[in-house]
Amino acid sequence: GQQLNQSPQSMFIQEGEDVSMNCTSSSIFNTWLWYKQDPGEGPVLLIALYKAGELTSNGRLTAQFGITRKDSFLNISASIPSDVGIYFCAGHLSGAGSYQLTFGKGTKLSVIP
Amino acid sequence: DGGITQSPKYLFRKEGQNVTLSCEQNLNHDAMYWYRQDPGQGLRLIYYSQIVNDFQKGDIAEGYSVSREKKESFPLTVTSAQKNPTAFYLCASKVTESLGAEAFFGQGTRLTVV
Repeated sequence: GQQLNQSPQSMFIQEGEDVSMNCTSSSIFNTWLWYKQDPGEGPVLLIALYKAGELTSNGRLTAQFGITRKDSFLNISASIPSDVGIYFCAGHLSGAGSYQLTFGKGTKLSVIP
Repeated sequence: DGGITQSPKYLFRKEGQNVTLSCEQNLNHDAMYWYRQDPGQGLRLIYYSQIVNDFQKGDIAEGYSVSREKKESFPLTVTSAQKNPTAFYLCASKVTESLGAEAFFGQGTRLTVV
């Protein structure tokens, strides 16, 4: 199955720094989703994007749906220790038979206090 | 509260045994999914079901089986044919295609072969 290219694979940052990660695809999507997974838990939905060019915020998190519909970005401002985890992007293209989400491999975030 | 419940949280299996992982949802979602997660591999789709009594193979279905006899339930059986079953298994559900793409996950089951 198709995979998204998510980068970076891992990040080590100081508490208080801003974080940026992105996903790119060779195919277009009409929905982008961003999830966070804590160790040993299931992913939790952070932000959903439905329109090309859309910029959506959820607290310190901001995500954007790329104009080309082939990429998306997630930014975290003023990181704190509880931001630690794995962040996944997922793309979805609605249409006949399209019930699947395509996931990136994740960005593992470590925050140094 | 509405949500997806996976059980058990941890499961140990002897080689050659079949085991069944439970997934129940009370969100009234039509579609349900099983993913396998290995370190550095992201989420890989095992099986999915769009409606009751129907399911489709995902990317890594070999050695696994599922059933969808009720809308709320989508159990996954890891059979002895699965050569490397130790992994973290995630169940997810979403509304029908026309109503959105957002999938919601359970807490996961960590399966270890001993």
